[in-house]
Amino acid sequence: TQLLEQSPQFLSIQEGENLTVYCNSSSVFSSLQWYRQEPGEGPVLLVTVVTGGEVKKLKRLTFQFGDARKDSSLHITAAQPGDTGLYLCAGGSQGNLIFGKGTKLSVKP
Amino acid sequence: GAVVSQHPSWVICKSGTSVKIECRSLDFQATTMFWYRQFPKQSLMLMATSNEGSKATYEQGVEKDKFLINHASLTLSTLTVTSAHPEDSSFYICSAGQGFQGAIQYFGAGTRLSVL
Repeated sequence: TQLLEQSPQFLSIQEGENLTVYCNSSSVFSSLQWYRQEPGEGPVLLVTVVTGGEVKKLKRLTFQFGDARKDSSLHITAAQPGDTGLYLCAGGSQGNLIFGKGTKLSVKP
Repeated sequence: GAVVSQHPSWVICKSGTSVKIECRSLDFQATTMFWYRQFPKQSLMLMATSNEGSKATYEQGVEKDKFLINHASLTLSTLTVTSAHPEDSSFYICSAGQGFQGAIQYFGAGTRLSVL
């Protein structure tokens, strides 16, 4: 069974701080996606990474896919209250997505 | 682009009735759509994978006769919760896949089902 371990599970920080969320697995994935979900809404795709070692930047968000395509990280610089939400990583495998349990981020002004 | 519309966003029904949820890909064709269920403060749990023109593939533990899935066109999949019970109350989310084997999924806004 493929599993994605996401850490930390909860994170509460002050506005302006930096943070990193990790997504780890013992399995290799063909792609890895990061989503952000707000309460009562569906997940919104932030980025897809497909190449080992790939780094993608989206404004203050930096995503990295591990060389072996088993892990990924999301780094947020100078977090803002608008970044608050549930961050989900999902690994692509044989047409399905395997989801991590999510990181609930709260950024306080 | 890549917009997925899910309807209704909220439904309240009596125990024993059936509820249909629609999922539409508005600006692309999706041969594969996915249905998820999400419990409070938890991640998404895949219920079934729906392929256009064929029977859905259900995950282990999901009753196919209870959760009827129809994917009649490349832009529409429906999930019908039959004879709903209070324990079926949950947040149901659909997604439409793009790319090889639907590898990139775009999600609808979800449907909050409350069964009284």
